[in-house]
Amino acid sequence: EIVLTQSPATLSLSPGERATLSCRASQSVSNFLAWYQQKPGQAPRLLIYDASNRATGIPARFSGSGSATEFTLTISSLEPEDVAVYFCQQRSNWAGLTFGGGTKVEIK
Amino acid sequence: QVQLQESGPGLVKPSETLSLTCTVACDSIGSCYWSWIRQPAGKGLEWIGRISSTGISNYNPSLKSRVTMSVDTSKNQFSLNLSSVTAADTAVYYCARRGASNYFDSWGQGTLVTVSS
Repeated sequence: EIVLTQSPATLSLSPGERATLSCRASQSVSNFLAWYQQKPGQAPRLLIYDASNRATGIPARFSGSGSATEFTLTISSLEPEDVAVYFCQQRSNWAGLTFGGGTKVEIK
Repeated sequence: QVQLQESGPGLVKPSETLSLTCTVACDSIGSCYWSWIRQPAGKGLEWIGRISSTGISNYNPSLKSRVTMSVDTSKNQFSLNLSSVTAADTAVYYCARRGASNYFDSWGQGTLVTVSS
């Protein structure tokens, strides 16, 4: 099983600040990694796919980068509506999809 | 965005079988895949497995011995059966569709299933 480790567990920033979230894979997943945003009481929403492609309707302040085992989700200027938990997910092995444990983003 | 809707009992007794159904749509037979994903309260996401519109399935190895999925395209539904449940299976269960991106671009609202006597 490919284990995805996200850090930090919680990120507390002021509006307008840059948020950098990390996802590390236990083995290479090439670029087969996605990021999801989950707000309280809601289902996850796809933000980024294949490491760096924004999904339909996702604001340009969200960007993804990385490959192999190291990935980053960046929110260039944090908005109050970005408060959520963010999960990474790999599809390198469709017989064993896995998600990271999540990073909670809070507003100071 | 494609609409998905989960349905099924909200309470299941220990050792019994959890059964859920998701109403879906597939506009191109042979190219649709749907998954079940669950989330215990306050915790992360766990992929349970997936099935295609033609019945091809893959299951999470950690749950494989207890999981069965099926699809009924005539009813636009796919189903999850999870046998021998325990309290550890208490979670919100989501159905989700694999989109053109090959990731989950459409999700149901989720349904809470509690395992308790």
